[in-house]
Amino acid sequence: DQQVKQNSPSLSVQEGRISILNCDYTNSMFDYFLWYKKYPAEGPTFLISISSIKDKNEDGRFTVFLNKSAKHLSLHIVPSQPGDSAVYFCALYSGGGADGLTFGKGTHLIIQP
Amino acid sequence: EAGVAQSPRYKIIEKRQSVAFWCNPISGHATLYWYQQILGQGPKLLIQFQNNGVVDDSQLPKDRFSAERLKGVDSTLKIQPAKLEDSAVYLCASSLQNSYEQYFGPGTRLTVT
Repeated sequence: DQQVKQNSPSLSVQEGRISILNCDYTNSMFDYFLWYKKYPAEGPTFLISISSIKDKNEDGRFTVFLNKSAKHLSLHIVPSQPGDSAVYFCALYSGGGADGLTFGKGTHLIIQP
Repeated sequence: EAGVAQSPRYKIIEKRQSVAFWCNPISGHATLYWYQQILGQGPKLLIQFQNNGVVDDSQLPKDRFSAERLKGVDSTLKIQPAKLEDSAVYLCASSLQNSYEQYFGPGTRLTVT
């Protein structure tokens, strides 16, 4: 039973345009919602987070939106750059001691020149 | 600041053999995690340590997997005996206590033949 769903295995976007990556979750117990970025042969790196009590968080070109009623999370990247080509994972954190992250399957973002 | 170190980077073994992975977390990080990432999936938590104590090992297949973190710093993850389905990337991560921001190592890619 998947708690976190990223329904798009891949996404192709032209350089300079907006990239929108989506994530749906089933359980409302999580305190923070995170996006991690992964390049081949490297471990995931933290990108941006949002608290469960907020609906938007922005950091430079990256904005994360949270719709709790729809149990939906999205990451917007604008403008998209070639270095953004990577696999993006949505991850959920519940805290309270057992701090392991629950990850989605990832979306492979390809930025085309 | 040095990142999370893991070794070896690659390992190929035959089924029923044993294997061990090593992780050195970021200095000062009390919490250490082992994740398993099967091809096409997101990372799945196997075990979480807080200093040298186990916080969560609910998803660790304890009949064949074991992990330890003696002295609360380095950690080893062992598989004995290995099965074909254990082929995956094993990721180690560390974080400050009660922090959602986890720092991942490059992983060990295990192939079981």
